[in-house]
Amino acid sequence: DAGVTQSPTHLIKTRGQQVTLRCSPISGHKSVSWYQQVLGQGPQFIFQYYEKEERGRGNFPDRFSARQFPNYSSELNVNALLLGDSALYLCASSSHGGGNQPQHFGDGTRLSIL
Amino acid sequence: KQEVTQIPAALSVPEGENLVLNCSFTDSAIYNLQWFRQDPGKGLTSLLLIQSSQREQTSGRLNASLDKSSGRSTLYIAASQPGDSATYLCAPNSGNTPLVFGKGTRLSVIA
Repeated sequence: DAGVTQSPTHLIKTRGQQVTLRCSPISGHKSVSWYQQVLGQGPQFIFQYYEKEERGRGNFPDRFSARQFPNYSSELNVNALLLGDSALYLCASSSHGGGNQPQHFGDGTRLSIL
Repeated sequence: KQEVTQIPAALSVPEGENLVLNCSFTDSAIYNLQWFRQDPGKGLTSLLLIQSSQREQTSGRLNASLDKSSGRSTLYIAASQPGDSATYLCAPNSGNTPLVFGKGTRLSVIA
């Protein structure tokens, strides 16, 4: 079975532009979470979605938004990009939103802002 | 608010050594704790998940222990190999809150 897939793998944007990152969870998984990882740090939580509803939001500005589709795939959108948005963006899926389920991560999207 | 600390930040050992990575967390009200491996520029690979009711979990040369009451977990790697070189991250899971990560331990195993 395929794991969590993310696209694109790499992306280069300039300040002020907008970007959309995509994530397909493991088949049968209904919960998707997004994390941002800057160099040298652990991942920081951005959003969690379960059954197309937002379950949680981290301490990120309103420039960050996300949604989950009926097939449980998800998109993360970032508007008005800043240099500080350069990071590895990770998507994780789990079978449901409960805390006793393991999280499975994709390979991430490397976003570079020039 | 959950805070996670991993010690040491970096570790370099010769091939064949046994080693221990440490993880401490401030909120002991957790469901489980996951250990992950991350290769440079890559995503996270789940190594072990240890439930709050368990004391230990083993997978091959890896053994994770959990002392929930003291807020500590250790990852023991036996007979280390150069292929074990990576960053190791721990993440306690408190249920309806997201995973909280430490900064990780960067491991280098020298052949």
